[in-house]
Amino acid sequence: EVQLVESGGGLVQPGGSLRLSCAASGFTFSSYWMSWVRQAPGKGLEWVANIKQDGSEKYYVDSVKGRFTISRDNAKNSLYLQMNSLRAEDTAVYYCARGDDYGDLSPFDYWGQGTLVTVSS
Amino acid sequence: DIQMTQSPSTLSASVGDRVTITCRASQSISSWLAWYQQKPGKAPKLLIYKASSLESGVPSRFSGSGSGTEFTLTISSLQPDDFATYYCQQYNSYPDTFGQGTKVEIK
Repeated sequence: EVQLVESGGGLVQPGGSLRLSCAASGFTFSSYWMSWVRQAPGKGLEWVANIKQDGSEKYYVDSVKGRFTISRDNAKNSLYLQMNSLRAEDTAVYYCARGDDYGDLSPFDYWGQGTLVTVSS
Repeated sequence: DIQMTQSPSTLSASVGDRVTITCRASQSISSWLAWYQQKPGKAPKLLIYKASSLESGVPSRFSGSGSGTEFTLTISSLQPDDFATYYCQQYNSYPDTFGQGTKVEIK
């Protein structure tokens, strides 16, 4: 059974940093593109970033470029999102989502349960 | 960025009704469109990909159609488990973008 389990969310002050993790199981993690998608409270879905199977390609939505870094450790079946210079508008539930095993742009067939990040003083 | 616009934003319907949700893209996305269902406090669930392909395990009452800039999600006979919010997503070009959502409520 495919499972994605996020952790690392919490309350952080504006300008602060947080590192999210996503533990994957039930599939060959190293074969898939992986993404982070977020959802602000009561709002819609926003794709944040994705990363290629070997970590050699990474893409970001403009609003997080230069502040967030996506990475992965295939030996640990884990996906990460390092978030720096956090702003109030980054407050959201962050989901880890599985993409394709061949192309970068794809639907997301499995999602984690999400981890809440709250940026507030 | 490609803008995705869903209509209506809210839909009131009864069990057994046929329901149609529309998603329009600001430019052509071929058939690179997915539909998701989300219930409160839960992660989205993939229903349809490539505009009309049914994800494994999804009931056949869900169907998708369209190409280019106009797409529809149809639920042929609404069931109690279908009351939720539905989102479309384009994956034709970066950044992936989602519609604002359509909430299907009980009439």
